[in-house]
Amino acid sequence: AQSVTQPDIHITVSEGASLELRCNYSYGATPYLFWYVQSPGQGLQLLLKYFSGDTLVQGIKGFEAEFKRSQSSFNLRKPSVHWSDAAEYFCAVQSSGYSTLTFGKGTMLLVSP
Amino acid sequence: DSGVTQTPKHLITATGQRVTLRCSPRSGDLSVYWYQQSLDQGLQFLIQYYNGEERAKGNILERFSAQQFPDLHSELNLSSLELGDSALYFCASSTLAGEGDTQYFGPGTRLTVL
Repeated sequence: AQSVTQPDIHITVSEGASLELRCNYSYGATPYLFWYVQSPGQGLQLLLKYFSGDTLVQGIKGFEAEFKRSQSSFNLRKPSVHWSDAAEYFCAVQSSGYSTLTFGKGTMLLVSP
Repeated sequence: DSGVTQTPKHLITATGQRVTLRCSPRSGDLSVYWYQQSLDQGLQFLIQYYNGEERAKGNILERFSAQQFPDLHSELNLSSLELGDSALYFCASSTLAGEGDTQYFGPGTRLTVL
């Protein structure tokens, strides 16, 4: 069965600094990968997704992620963090033949002034 | 706004009771998914319906059941509630039911069992 690991439970970044959130997946074939963001009291909003092709995908709000098959990783990046980016970020994998999602435990991003 | 609506937003009830959570998918979406988010288990897939039929089942307890109606809205029924059922329940919808289909999430229903 597929699984997703987000090694960092909390990350604190200064406003204006760059950000990288880690995600590792365990899945035999090429997975479908997603990043969602959950703001306090809100539902999950899709940031970006990877299906195939270019391994660097662009998303909303200035986020991007890079798929690295050799490392089984799909890390999320942003060059300059804004205070409004403070939220919880979830990486998810979708397995072949199914549309259901398996989520990581999430990384809580705190932004310091 | 994802276009997925869930009611109620909050629900407080007692142990042993039964509740119903409601979800309306985005216009045109045929698949509805239910997820449970709790502090200890994280986000877990419960069940999926596609065009009225059960499509996939995850870690759903026998005390829980769901259905999707002809108008494609879905209800999640939770019975014999226990303290541990307190969680945020999300509904999501997607156009179809295959791999690569993107899910859009509703705002969730927060269930508190006292």
